[in-house]
Amino acid sequence: DTGVSQDPRHKITKRGQNVTFRCDPISEHNRLYWYRQTLGQGPEFLTYFQNEAQLEKSRLLSDRFSAERPKGSFSTLEIQRTEQGDSAMYLCASSPGQLRNTDTQYFGPGTRLTVL
Amino acid sequence: QQQVKQSPQSLIVQKGGISIINCAYENTAFDYFPWYQQFPGKGPALLIAIRPDVSEKKEGRFTISFNKSAKQFSLHIMDSQPGDSATYFCAASNTGNQFYFGTGTSLTVIP
Repeated sequence: DTGVSQDPRHKITKRGQNVTFRCDPISEHNRLYWYRQTLGQGPEFLTYFQNEAQLEKSRLLSDRFSAERPKGSFSTLEIQRTEQGDSAMYLCASSPGQLRNTDTQYFGPGTRLTVL
Repeated sequence: QQQVKQSPQSLIVQKGGISIINCAYENTAFDYFPWYQQFPGKGPALLIAIRPDVSEKKEGRFTISFNKSAKQFSLHIMDSQPGDSATYFCAASNTGNQFYFGTGTSLTVIP
């Protein structure tokens, strides 16, 4: 399977704990995006990387959130001191990011976070 | 502020009918308008996309109509099938830096 993969698929944690999610993009895709999706809503942009550089961060991304893409391949999203409002599906997407005609994003299956 | 407004919120169509979902945007810098299909428990999957230099794009049963002056675009699903029952999202982007999604339309196709 050469699609975007995310791990874990489900995470249940207690309020105040830290969690980390991993995303493996499609090989050779330069851009990697993180989104948050709550029930009945569209994905909300959190941040994106061009190779290892984090180029954009949404105001939704409070200082409890941090994302990395250390070698320009996989990425991690960490949430510290989780709150119940963090419960959502966290989606990762990648795109070639090279040419104007190749902005197509390919989404992973998501990680569903439940904060108790 | 919702960058992309989508309607209707839900849609019920008979098998074989035409499903139409509409989206509107404000930012004239947007230059890429994709539509995504999402099934429960899955990530969104790209269905079809258009750039503002064309007014229509068709792929199989799916057509995007784009009206640059009105800042509106719509998805038409011809000959709708029960397997098309899913949530559909429109989105807009400026050179792929940030993608703004609509709030989604839940489509139900009745056999």
